[in-house]
Amino acid sequence: EDQVTQSPEALRLQEGESSSLNCSYTVSGLRGLFWYRQDPGKGPEFLFTLYSAGEEKEKERLKATLTKKESFLHITAPKPEDSATYLCAVERSAGGGNKLTFGTGTQLKVEL
Amino acid sequence: DAGVTQSPTHLIKTRGQQVTLRCSPKSGHDTVSWYQQALGQGPQFIFQYYEEEERQRGNFPDRFSGHQFPNYSSELNVNALLLGDSALYLCASQALNTEAFFGQGTRLTVV
Repeated sequence: EDQVTQSPEALRLQEGESSSLNCSYTVSGLRGLFWYRQDPGKGPEFLFTLYSAGEEKEKERLKATLTKKESFLHITAPKPEDSATYLCAVERSAGGGNKLTFGTGTQLKVEL
Repeated sequence: DAGVTQSPTHLIKTRGQQVTLRCSPKSGHDTVSWYQQALGQGPQFIFQYYEEEERQRGNFPDRFSGHQFPNYSSELNVNALLLGDSALYLCASQALNTEAFFGQGTRLTVV
């Protein structure tokens, strides 16, 4: 069974204090690893897809990287508006369909 | 582009009742998936519809059923509601094998 574990569960940063969120995964044949941002009471907002080990993607203050066992979401000089829950999900390549298996998320709070 | 739209946004039902949730996919998307998200948890896959057929199903009982219409919109039906069905229900749409985009969700409370 596919498994996704995210750490830490919660993270409190000062504005400008860079850090990384971790996503460890176990999947039988990875088609893609996805990062989403979720604000309270809202649906997840797509951030990145990573397909193979060594791949990196950037968007503003966020950078996602992928190895064969884990992914990191690096946040550089965060601002209060980056406060949200960050979700990681995997999709397997076999079996048809596009089922996403999610972790429980990292709740990020950025303070002034 | 309106993105993925879900209705209603909030709903309160009594144990034992039935509920229908609706989803209109993003323009150009033909695949719709439904997820259940309990408080403090990640979304859990319920099922996916493609070409009006259930393509894949997660570990949810038969009380959860769905439908996809020719215009790609979808419904999620839950029968015999339990207190434990209280959650945020998310609809996601995609073109096959591309990234999924989520709606804002329907908050279901069962009392």
